[in-house]
Amino acid sequence: DAGVTQSPTHLIKTRGQHVTLRCSPISGHKSVSWYQQVLGQGPQFIFQYYEKEERGRGNFPDRFSARQFPNYSSELNVNALLLGDSALYLCASAWGSGANVLTFGAGSRLTVL
Amino acid sequence: GESVGLHLPTLSVQEGDNSIINCAYSNSASDYFIWYKQESGKGPQFIIDIRSNMDKRQGQRVTVLLNKTVKHLSLQIAATQPGDSAVYFCAENTGNQFYFGTGTSLTVIP
Repeated sequence: DAGVTQSPTHLIKTRGQHVTLRCSPISGHKSVSWYQQVLGQGPQFIFQYYEKEERGRGNFPDRFSARQFPNYSSELNVNALLLGDSALYLCASAWGSGANVLTFGAGSRLTVL
Repeated sequence: GESVGLHLPTLSVQEGDNSIINCAYSNSASDYFIWYKQESGKGPQFIIDIRSNMDKRQGQRVTVLLNKTVKHLSLQIAATQPGDSAVYFCAENTGNQFYFGTGTSLTVIP
């Protein structure tokens, strides 16, 4: 079975641009969460979606948005990119919401110049 | 906000020795904890979990200990191998969010 898949794996953007990152969860998982991992730090929670509804949001500006589709895949959008948005963006899926094991993808490495 | 921290940012051990990685958490309401291993260029990989109604859980070569009194979590790796070299994160769950610590970099010396 395929694990959590993310695309693209690497991308370079310039300040002010917009980016869309995509995630496909493990088959049967209905929850998708997004995390930002800056180099040398632990992942920071951005969003959680379960059954296409937002169930949690971390301390990130409104430039960050996400959605979950009927097939449980998800997109993370970031507008008006800043240099500080450069990070590894991780997607994790889980069977349910709440206290369940998160299975992570390999991430999308975003560099903002 | 939440605070999950690790006591030591780096740890070096000899191959075959046991490793202990520590973690402090601040939210006494956290009810579920996970240890993750992250190798360079990869996403975090699940190692072992423990719920707040337990104080110890064992897996293959790994043991997690939970001390709710002092809000402390530890990961013990038995007979550490070169393949165990990675960054290890503890994560605590409160509601729908997991909070991760900064991580401990484990280096296994052959």
